[in-house]
Amino acid sequence: AQTVTQSQPEMSVQEAETVTLSCTYDTSENNYYLFWYKQPPSRQMILVIRQEAYKQQNATENRFSVNFQKAAKSFSLKISDSQLGDTAMYFCAFVTSGTYKYIFGTGTRLKVLA
Amino acid sequence: KAGVTQTPRYLIKTRGQQVTLSCSPISGHRSVSWYQQTPGQGLQFLFEYFSETQRNKGNFPGRFSGRQFSNSRSEMNVSTLELGDSALYLCASSPGGGNEQFFGPGTRLTVL
Repeated sequence: AQTVTQSQPEMSVQEAETVTLSCTYDTSENNYYLFWYKQPPSRQMILVIRQEAYKQQNATENRFSVNFQKAAKSFSLKISDSQLGDTAMYFCAFVTSGTYKYIFGTGTRLKVLA
Repeated sequence: KAGVTQTPRYLIKTRGQQVTLSCSPISGHRSVSWYQQTPGQGLQFLFEYFSETQRNKGNFPGRFSGRQFSNSRSEMNVSTLELGDSALYLCASSPGGGNEQFFGPGTRLTVL
């Protein structure tokens, strides 16, 4: 079975500091895509970052970057210079190439402290 | 392009009733997925539709059903509502090809 595990239910970080959210996944497929989504309190889920599994280079989007370790099936999200607006639930997910069934983790609730 | 829209945004029902939720995907997206989100269970996959066909289904009882129309709009129906069905129901659409899903704002269902 394909699964995604986020082992940190809750985390907190001081404003301007760096925090890393962990995600591991399990699949026997070789071609897939990985995602981090952000769901702010009472607001819509939006994409933070996307990684193609066939690319070795880690994806970055401004203050957000990933550490993708394909062999270890690990996909962590690093948030640099944390801002109050980063307070949200973060979900890790993947989809196998050619399919439309997205597998989500249980989420990590991140709180950025002033 | 307009984003994914869901109606209604809020619903209050009583046990035993049924409810229908609607989702309009982003134009051109043929895949629509539904999720149930609760504080204790996280994001639970309900089902996925593509070109009017249900291709993937999560582990939910038969009281949960859905359909997709030729214009890709989708509805989900929950019959014989139970207190435990209270949740945020999210709809997401995708163009496929490994692209991300785009989520709607959700419908918050409260069952009394």
